[in-house]
Amino acid sequence: EAQVTQNPRYLITVTGKKLTVTCSQNMNHEYMSWYRQDPGLGLRQIYYSMNVEVTDKGDVPEGYKVSRKEKRNFPLILESPSPNQTSLYFCASSFGRAGGELFFGEGSRLTVL
Amino acid sequence: GENVEQHPSTLSVQEGDSAVIKCTYSDSASNYFPWYKQELGKRPQLIIDIRSNVGEKKDQRIAVTLNKTAKHFSLHITETQPEDSAVYFCAASKGSNYQLIWGAGTKLIIKP
Repeated sequence: EAQVTQNPRYLITVTGKKLTVTCSQNMNHEYMSWYRQDPGLGLRQIYYSMNVEVTDKGDVPEGYKVSRKEKRNFPLILESPSPNQTSLYFCASSFGRAGGELFFGEGSRLTVL
Repeated sequence: GENVEQHPSTLSVQEGDSAVIKCTYSDSASNYFPWYKQELGKRPQLIIDIRSNVGEKKDQRIAVTLNKTAKHFSLHITETQPEDSAVYFCAASKGSNYQLIWGAGTKLIIKP
């Protein structure tokens, strides 16, 4: 089954404790991206990757890191989480052609205390 | 910078009536315009999209229209049903590349 898998789905952590949210897709997609969703603010892009070893900042990259060592995986790293990073996070992927459908993961709800 | 404005932010319609959500974009080079639906607690999913060489596209009860001159596009849902209740996001491509500029979303409420 074609899918984008994120883990963990839910996480409560404390300020400053490094965490990683994993994202994996099994569709051989070139393009992957991370979004955060906050009430009233829609979907805001954090980072994206057009292919292996190619990553770039989105609209709200501060406080986040990513890596793309393999085509299927695109982890999101919060080196020192802060309460303002409490949010719902979505990973998404597509073939990368302009106009390709974005397939979203189920989301990861993160709470930073 | 480039942006997409989406209106209204909340739309309440009687079941069976039509719903229209409008988006305006600023980048004249945008050539791809998708609409995503996000049900409560679920992930966004593509419901329909349109490219700049087409003025209208239909898929059963949903349709999208595009006015390139005015730089706006709209989602039309006819004969609304309870399962249409969701948040709808429009987006426009940044020029012709992979990236999308997203609208802020419209919460559609279908009243029984």
